Amino acid sequence: KNEVEQSPQNLTAQEGEFITINCSYSVGISALHWLQQHPGGGIVSLFMLSSGKKKHGRLIATINIQEKHSSLHITASHPRDSAVYICAVRNAGGTSYGKLTFGQGTILTVHP
Amino acid sequence: NAGVTQTPKFRVLKTGQSMTLLCAQDMNHEYMYWYRQDPGMGLRLIHYSVGEGTTAKGEVPDGYNVSRLKKQNFLLGLESAAPSQTSVYFCASSYHYEQYFGPGTRLTVT
Repeated sequence: KNEVEQSPQNLTAQEGEFITINCSYSVGISALHWLQQHPGGGIVSLFMLSSGKKKHGRLIATINIQEKHSSLHITASHPRDSAVYICAVRNAGGTSYGKLTFGQGTILTVHP
Repeated sequence: NAGVTQTPKFRVLKTGQSMTLLCAQDMNHEYMYWYRQDPGMGLRLIHYSVGEGTTAKGEVPDGYNVSRLKKQNFLLGLESAAPSQTSVYFCASSYHYEQYFGPGTRLTVT
């Protein structure tokens, strides 16, 4: 079993729909990251959170430390949101260089 | 600021050939990382560096070497390329917790 599991692996939506991507992890963490990767493009950081909830525009990220679970929500989805969304966790303790363990990613396609 | 840049963007190698991938960052970050991304798998850490002149092994270091002679540059070398090293390689840098990624290098080994 991977340390970081994302679901679903693939997600197709119609423009305007509310989208949820889930991330579960099995290790103690100090922080969780949500990243976005566009086709053929690089990877950008969307959120870093260690508790509660963060919002940026139409994106909302939540984390429940006790349940070892995080969700990324996209409200009023748009075709430009089509991308791979990656969850990554920073293990608790360890060195200061900030090793991340990544999920496999969720491929999101939003149709007009 | 250019952020994190990688060269080359694409490369095709024959088995046994060698090459070096260059990562450069202009954010004065201490930490730098090399990852590989393969279909169906998450990003995996190859090597990392916590400062100029230092390097350390990540999860999948075999077949790769790295050097960090200057703070802004982190080089990834393949001494004798193998088809199993066909992948997309990402470099990243960080000052503290948030990592900034380069655009990636797509490497094919035939």
